[in-house]
Amino acid sequence: GENVEQHPSTLSVQEGDSAVIKCTYSDSASNYFPWYKQELGKRPQLIIDIRSNVGEKKDQRIAVTLNKTAKHFSLHITETQPEDSAVYFCAGGNRGTSYGKLTFGQGTILTVHP
Amino acid sequence: DTEVTQTPKHLVMGMTNKKSLKCEQHMGHRAMYWYKQKAKKPPELMFVYSYEKLSINESVPSRFSPECPNSSLLNLHLHALQPEDSALYLCASRSGPQVGTGELFFGEGSRLTVL
Repeated sequence: GENVEQHPSTLSVQEGDSAVIKCTYSDSASNYFPWYKQELGKRPQLIIDIRSNVGEKKDQRIAVTLNKTAKHFSLHITETQPEDSAVYFCAGGNRGTSYGKLTFGQGTILTVHP
Repeated sequence: DTEVTQTPKHLVMGMTNKKSLKCEQHMGHRAMYWYKQKAKKPPELMFVYSYEKLSINESVPSRFSPECPNSSLLNLHLHALQPEDSALYLCASRSGPQVGTGELFFGEGSRLTVL
């Protein structure tokens, strides 16, 4: 089955800095890679996703890059703000099989200091 | 309506109790999921229902019993739980296998404490 590794486990930045979180996956059949943000006591919420036929996707201050050959993908947050502080989970899966089963990374606790 | 609604939000039960968690969505999604999440850990998949049929059971102990009465509702029946089962139980839905954006919509979760 799929295995997703996520690094770092904690990340501390100053407001305005950039933050980068990296994930690797093992199953070359995976073709869908979402990123979820989970604030304390809240539900995980999708912030951005990328499919395997795309190398990069941006949405305002958030971008995700995918390297299929190396089987890794990264989340980039620019101009970080204190409200970006949360746990971030990457995930990988195959949209066409297994009823959308996603394998999650272990999570990154991001802290943005004002 | 892009909401997945879970009840109750909090539940405390003894090891001999029987209780149920409920999940509801009205987005027309045909795939529904139960996840278990411990503090600061990723969600762990428990069950997947597709078109009201159980499609995936991730080797979950029989003290957890899922039920999908119709395409909008998903229940998780709990019986004889152990203290280590204390966790946040998340319900999620998706538009269906092989269709849609692939986005999982999560409910707010039911925080379960087993005494």
